[in-house]
Formats: sequence, C-alpha cells, structure tokens
Amino acid sequence: NAGVTQTPKFQVLKTGQSMTLQCAQDMNHNSMYWYRQDPGMGLRLIYYSASEGTTDKGEVPNGYNVSRLNKREFSLRLESAAPSQTSVYFCASRNTGPGNTIYFGEGSWLTVV
Amino acid sequence: AQSVTQPDIHITVSEGASLELRCNYSYGATPYLFWYVQSPGQGLQLLLKYFSGDTLVQGIKGFEAEFKRSQSSFNLRKPSVHWSDAAEYFCAVVHNQAGTALIFGKGTTLSVSS
Repeated sequence: NAGVTQTPKFQVLKTGQSMTLQCAQDMNHNSMYWYRQDPGMGLRLIYYSASEGTTDKGEVPNGYNVSRLNKREFSLRLESAAPSQTSVYFCASRNTGPGNTIYFGEGSWLTVV
Repeated sequence: AQSVTQPDIHITVSEGASLELRCNYSYGATPYLFWYVQSPGQGLQLLLKYFSGDTLVQGIKGFEAEFKRSQSSFNLRKPSVHWSDAAEYFCAVVHNQAGTALIFGKGTTLSVSS
C-alpha cells in the first residue's frame, strides 16, 4: 500500500547545483502538491497541480519549477540551489474537491551547503 | 484567499489534563478546515476535518474540534492528554474556491509533562 512515494529521502547539494525531487502516487488522485517545512514556518505550499497538464504557484514558488509528468507523477526541480532552500520537502496528493483528505509522502530532507 | 492562524507556538500540558489548541481562519464563504498531526521525523496524519453539518467534529485518537463561525475558529480539543500525543499540530484551510489547494498554519508544538 504505497500511497505517496517521494525520492530521494536525503540529499546534500552544493550552492548552485541542480536537482529534481520525484513524487509518485498510486491512489489515482487528480491533485498533487509540493510543500516545504521549516522550523516555525509550518508547511508552505510551493506549487500544486490540480489536474494532469496544469500547474499553479503556491505561497513560495520562487527558485522552483515543477512538472506534472502524468497523473501519477509530479516532480520538483531546483535549478540553482541556494542555502535558503535547505528544508524538508513534502509531496502530497488528493482528489479535487474542498473536503477531500490530503495524503503526504514521508518527506525529503534537503541540505544546501 | 483564505488563511489560517495558530496563535500558540508551543503548549505544555500535564498528562491526563485537557487540551485545547487554537485555530483561526480568515473569512470565506464556505470554510473547509482540517487538523493534522505530525510526530517527530514523520509525515502528517489527518485527525479530523469539517466542511458542513454538525459543528462538533469527532476525529481519531480521541480528538474533537468545534467550528464556530461567529469567532472564525476551529479549535482542537482532547479531554485527557496522553504522553503519546506530544507532537506538532497543524490547522489547515482550503485555499481557493476550486478546492484544489490546502494552506497550513504554522503549527503548535505540544509537549506533555508527567
């Protein structure tokens, strides 16, 4: 029962390097999300995709790009990593509709040095 | 756009005592509200949600929350706290009318003392 799977779980990057966080869900959900979690800031929405083929900016999109590859997969890319992007990143998914439950992956710990 | 505020950053409660965590939301025609819990090093787990009907909502692990439109609040309560309830708690609200984005508060850390 996989749910939402994100990789890698841990990553250390040098400033200026690029990387992509991968996310896949097996629940046939329409909407997918990327959040970052920082101490004292809670979870902040980076980007979301309401359906296959669409993406929208969230609260903190700067420095990130996303791709909704298909209904299952939603990737987050850091083109030129900065220390301010050191964070825990969570992918999530849910069916479209206000009351539907959101399901989270286990998180990806990213450190930019 | 809707938003959610959790006024308390950190709360300490004695084991066996009652608990109330506060959540206030900004005005919205139909608020869709959620409470999630996160244990250290873990992902988020849904405790309960409200989007219509009875304003007192029952959740898992003995938690409940009451929606009060007049106060724009959705406070989480538990009659008797257990040491295993120590965690971070997040209130969340649906961000847009399409119901596609969920916005979280900054969280309240609960410590339980013996």
